[in-house]
Amino acid sequence: SAVISQKPSRDICQRGTSLTIQCQVDSQVTMMFWYRQQPGQSLTLIATANQGSEATYESGFVIDKFPISRPNLTFSTLTVSNMSPEDSSIYLCSARAGTAADTQYFGPGTRLTVL
Amino acid sequence: RKEVEQDPGPFNVPEGATVAFNCTYSNSASQSFFWYRQDCRKEPKLLMSVYSSGNEDGRFTAQLNRASQYISLLIRDSKLSDSATYLCVVSGEGKLIFGQGTTLQVKP
Repeated sequence: SAVISQKPSRDICQRGTSLTIQCQVDSQVTMMFWYRQQPGQSLTLIATANQGSEATYESGFVIDKFPISRPNLTFSTLTVSNMSPEDSSIYLCSARAGTAADTQYFGPGTRLTVL
Repeated sequence: RKEVEQDPGPFNVPEGATVAFNCTYSNSASQSFFWYRQDCRKEPKLLMSVYSSGNEDGRFTAQLNRASQYISLLIRDSKLSDSATYLCVVSGEGKLIFGQGTTLQVKP
């Protein structure tokens, strides 16, 4: 299994600012992902964080808005840039050791409120 | 059309009841199927994988019908602690795709 921690757990930010969320996994994993869960909604995949290269973004998400880093197998960051109230959401880091058939674990999430 | 569709509920049932959740998916090439559980203000956690032959884990039974692109979860003898949102999840192109979840509230 994998234990995932995220920092910060929550934040309240002003419009136009940026926030970087950190994700740490306690074991080496193959795949890391970032999801968004808006109030009352299910999880939407933002991007796959690739070690040492640019992240792979899903439709509707772009690197300028959500830059992602993954310098090694156990750590990744997601930045929410130039925030607006529509970015208020829970951002979840996720990881798995192997293929999509394997268990995927989630961090506790970062609850972001943009004023 | 959403890739994974679930009845959002809520399902309100008494303790001891049997409750069934259904889910349909649109991509016939999907290869792996799961039910995740999400408690209020918590992250999702894997409840069980779903196999073509059907599988059971205690009070929980999952079924998959590939021809109909349909997945189900049956909970028998429901407990208060089963109250949560149950997410139907399908893998595609190495990624997990989540349904919107079905909320279950078990009442004493």
